Amino acid sequence: NAGVTQTPKFRILKIGQSMTLQCAQDMNHNYMYWYRQDPGMGLKLIYYSVGAGITDKGEVPNGYNVSRSTTEDFPLRLELAAPSQTSVYFCASSPRDNYEQYFGPGTRLTVT
Amino acid sequence: RKEVEQDPGPFNVPEGATVAFNCTYSNSASQSFFWYRQDCRKEPKLLMSVYSSGNEDGRFTAQLNRASQYISLLIRDSKLSDSATYLCVGADTGGFKTIFGAGTRLFVKA
Repeated sequence: NAGVTQTPKFRILKIGQSMTLQCAQDMNHNYMYWYRQDPGMGLKLIYYSVGAGITDKGEVPNGYNVSRSTTEDFPLRLELAAPSQTSVYFCASSPRDNYEQYFGPGTRLTVT
Repeated sequence: RKEVEQDPGPFNVPEGATVAFNCTYSNSASQSFFWYRQDCRKEPKLLMSVYSSGNEDGRFTAQLNRASQYISLLIRDSKLSDSATYLCVGADTGGFKTIFGAGTRLFVKA
């Protein structure tokens, strides 16, 4: 059982480039989340989804987009990367509301 | 004011010590609370949920005080392996407005 997987593990982008961070879970969870964690800070919610075809903004959505075409996958798209998007990105899933979230190993992104 | 505030520490304690972390939250609508543990450069993992009646799991005890809007975590008989960052989490009804504190770092030394 792989749980939540994220690719890539590391990435360096140049300013203005775009990329997609991949997230997949094999636990059949309806709820999925994207967070970013800056050094010494807590996690901030970027986007979340309550099921296939349903997504909504979190606390810091600017500069990002998501889609949820299947229960398993929840990719995060960065358009026109900026240095402020240098961070560690975590994807998480949960079987239901107000319940434990299971996190992927993270993607470390540097924008220079 | 941050919605979830924690003392960043670090807390440096010897093995066997008892250590307590507090966390305050500002959103009275928050319904669910959790403590997560995060090891260096790793993903957060749930340590325990926090219930109004308080709950205990081995050496760990969590308490919730809604009147004062704070959550606590007590670790007894600290082990070297307890060294990590402990994240306090509050979630609104619906669970989508999930707010993580910045974390409290704990170092347990031999």
